[in-house]
Amino acid sequence: KAGVTQTPRYLIKTRGQQVTLSCSPISGHRSVSWYQQTPGQGLQFLFEYFSETQRNKGNFPGRFSGRQFSNSRSEMNVSTLELGDSALYLCASSLGYRDTGELFFGEGSRLTVL
Amino acid sequence: GESVGLHLPTLSVQEGDNSIINCAYSNSASDYFIWYKQESGKGPQFIIDIRSNMDKRQGQRVTVLLNKTVKHLSLQIAATQPGDSAVYFCAENRGAGGTSYGKLTFGQGTILTVHP
Repeated sequence: KAGVTQTPRYLIKTRGQQVTLSCSPISGHRSVSWYQQTPGQGLQFLFEYFSETQRNKGNFPGRFSGRQFSNSRSEMNVSTLELGDSALYLCASSLGYRDTGELFFGEGSRLTVL
Repeated sequence: GESVGLHLPTLSVQEGDNSIINCAYSNSASDYFIWYKQESGKGPQFIIDIRSNMDKRQGQRVTVLLNKTVKHLSLQIAATQPGDSAVYFCAENRGAGGTSYGKLTFGQGTILTVHP
């Protein structure tokens, strides 16, 4: 069974631009979570979607948004990019109704903001 | 604020030794405590979890210990192999019933290096 797929794997943007990242969860998984990973802050939770609804949200500004489609695929968007948004953005999926903390992560999208 | 932290940022061991990675947590309300392994260029990979009403759980070559009295979590890896070299993160989750789905609070990580 295919794992979590994230695209693109690498991208470079400039300040002020916006970016959209995509995540395809494991087949049958209805929950998709997004995390930001940086050397300074570590892994930080952005938001979680289940059945096209945002069910949980972390402490990030409104420039960070996401959505989930009926096939459980998810996208996250960051508008008005700042240098500090440079990070590895990780998507994780799970069944969504048995929350033990076991998430299946993709390999991430590495964003560099210049 | 709530946090999950680690005592040691790096750990070097010889192949075949047992490794112990430690973690301190501060949120007593957490339902699950989890260990993840992240290899270079990859996303975190689930290793093992333990529910807050347990104090020990064993998996294949790994054991997780939970001491709620001192809010301490540890991961023991038996017969450590070079393939175990990675960054190890502890994390906590409040479990179902709250606004916690998919929301893990991660520690800073420990780099484990296994020398052949």
